[in-house]
Amino acid sequence: EIVLTQSPGTLSLSPGERATLSCRASQSVSSSFVAWYQQKPGRAPRLLIYGVSSRATGIPDRFSGSGSGTDFILTISRLEPEDFAVYYCQHYGTPPFSFGPGTKVDIK
Amino acid sequence: DVQLLESGGGLVQPGGSLRLSCAASGFTFSNYAMSWVRQAPGKGLEWVSTVSGNGGYTYYTDSVKGRFTISRDNSKNTLYLQMNSLRAEDTAVYFCAKGGACTTTTCYGRVWFDPWGQGAQVTVSS
Repeated sequence: EIVLTQSPGTLSLSPGERATLSCRASQSVSSSFVAWYQQKPGRAPRLLIYGVSSRATGIPDRFSGSGSGTDFILTISRLEPEDFAVYYCQHYGTPPFSFGPGTKVDIK
Repeated sequence: DVQLLESGGGLVQPGGSLRLSCAASGFTFSNYAMSWVRQAPGKGLEWVSTVSGNGGYTYYTDSVKGRFTISRDNSKNTLYLQMNSLRAEDTAVYFCAKGGACTTTTCYGRVWFDPWGQGAQVTVSS
């Protein structure tokens, strides 16, 4: 079973700054089956990135994903006011298709 | 547009049962994996269960195995989650979500979640 950890737990930044979120897997994730989601309070999550680095439909290009093996990164190049939210990584190679605990990006 | 609409949530006593439904539209339902993901109050996301497009493959997180059953009716474009022997720790918002194209295979590498329904609240309490 793959366990995902995310760091930091909370990231306090200002609009316009760059955000770098980390997701680490307890063992290598097969074939880059890693996704990232954004969730705002009281809302359903939204898929941002799948296959480590492919943006989902309608996702702005300020969001990018990278990584391989056990270490994955979500980068938001310049934070917009609507980007302050909680971000989750998820692996989907073999079950259980678990999520990381999340990183909250809040306004500094 | 793809739309997913959950129903069937509510308040149930410990040990009771509930069945969630998720009505899908805007895509060829039988071609895609479908899943349930839950979120307990103030907590993160937890994958619960996934079913392949033809219903032949099902997967569960350990904490619900033997208690929950995922199924689908492709003639009605509807996903179900039958929840039995409910516990207080099953209290959560339950989201249904569409995965990747997966009809008759294991769906490994196809279980991302996009889009999600609005969620159904399930509260287990006496």
